[in-house]
Parts: sequence; structure tokens; C-alpha cells
Amino acid sequence: KNEVEQSPQNLTAQEGEFITINCSYSVGISALHWLQQHPGGGIVSLFMLSSGKKKHGRLIATINIQEKHSSLHITASHPRDSAVYICAVQPNTGNQFYFGTGTSLTVIP
Amino acid sequence: NAGVMQNPRHLVRRRGQEARLRCSPMKGHSHVYWYRQLPEEGLKFMVYLQKENIIDESGMPKERFSAEFPKEGPSILRIQQVVRGDSAAYFCASSPRLAGDPQYFGPGTRLTVL
Repeated sequence: KNEVEQSPQNLTAQEGEFITINCSYSVGISALHWLQQHPGGGIVSLFMLSSGKKKHGRLIATINIQEKHSSLHITASHPRDSAVYICAVQPNTGNQFYFGTGTSLTVIP
Repeated sequence: NAGVMQNPRHLVRRRGQEARLRCSPMKGHSHVYWYRQLPEEGLKFMVYLQKENIIDESGMPKERFSAEFPKEGPSILRIQQVVRGDSAAYFCASSPRLAGDPQYFGPGTRLTVL
């Protein structure tokens, strides 16, 4: 069983749609990260959360520590949002991150 | 303040050759992490280093792989006698001080073994 589960694995949306990607985890964490990876590209950190909600432009990330769940929302999606979105958790103990397998998002014009 | 730098961005090696991947952490960061992303798989932890020390190498394959983070210069991930299965993207991340500090990712090195 993976420590981090993401859903959906693949997502296709029409430009302008509201998008939600979910992440559930099974370990106690000090922080949760949402990462973005474009095809053939590097990784960009979008958010780091330990509680509540953060907003950056059209992106919103929320976390519920009690339920061990986080969501990433994209409002008014755009084709340039097409990428793989990865949830990563930083456990309370140990040195490594645990990663979800990613959600591949395609936004169609 | 430059971000985490990795070079080369792309590396092609033939089977049996050595691959050296470099990671320069962000200025002031003394903790470096290496992750591997195999094709069609998620990121996996490989090793965690501080200056001149390997702290956790539980994710490193037991043979052919080694990592170092010298007092001066970048962290190096070294793969000896590469095989096709080593083809992957290798990402480095750095953090400032404590293991719980946020990690900042580099752009990755894409290794292709022919």
C-alpha cells in the first residue's frame, strides 16, 4: 500500500472548467506539498501546507489534517495548466518525502 | 538567490559506462536529497546527505550507486556500469537546516542509457 494516494490518475477538462485533484495519505506529516511537472520538464513546488488553505492565482490548496486529505483546485483552467500534479508528504519522522503517482491533467482549448 | 541547480540536464550513456550527476543546492542549504523517477512511475527517495555525511541511503540500490556531498562543491550522484534500467529522471532537492524544513527541487537530470 502506498503512503500517498492520488485521484484521479488522469483528467481531461475543457478550458475554463473548475478542476479538483485529491490526495490522501496514511502517515503523520509535518507538511504536504503540491508539485507540478510539465512533460520532459523539472518539478516546480506549488504549495507547502501544514494546515488550512492557501491560494496562489487560480490555484487553491486545502488540507484536512484530521482526515489526512488534501485537495488542489484550479479555477478557470487553461491549456497551459496541462501537466502532472504530484502530491508529496513530509512525514513527522524520517528524512524522505513520500510521493503520489501523480495526476496527469490535460486542458483542451 | 539561484535555485537548486542540476547538471547536466540530459545525459546519454552506453551500457557499462559511468554516469555522474551534479546538484548544487540553494545558497545556505546544507541538506541535499536525491530522488529517482522511473518511466511511468512516481518519484522515489534515494539518499539524504548533509555536508560530508550520508544520513540516510535506504533508497539507494546496494550496488553501482553512490552519493557524496563534499565540504566544497556540488553533491554528486554516481552510477557505475550503467544498465538500461537506470534510465530515469534524477531529481535533487535541498533544504536549509533541519530535516523538517521545506525542500526545494532542482530541474532534474534525464539519464538515457543506450
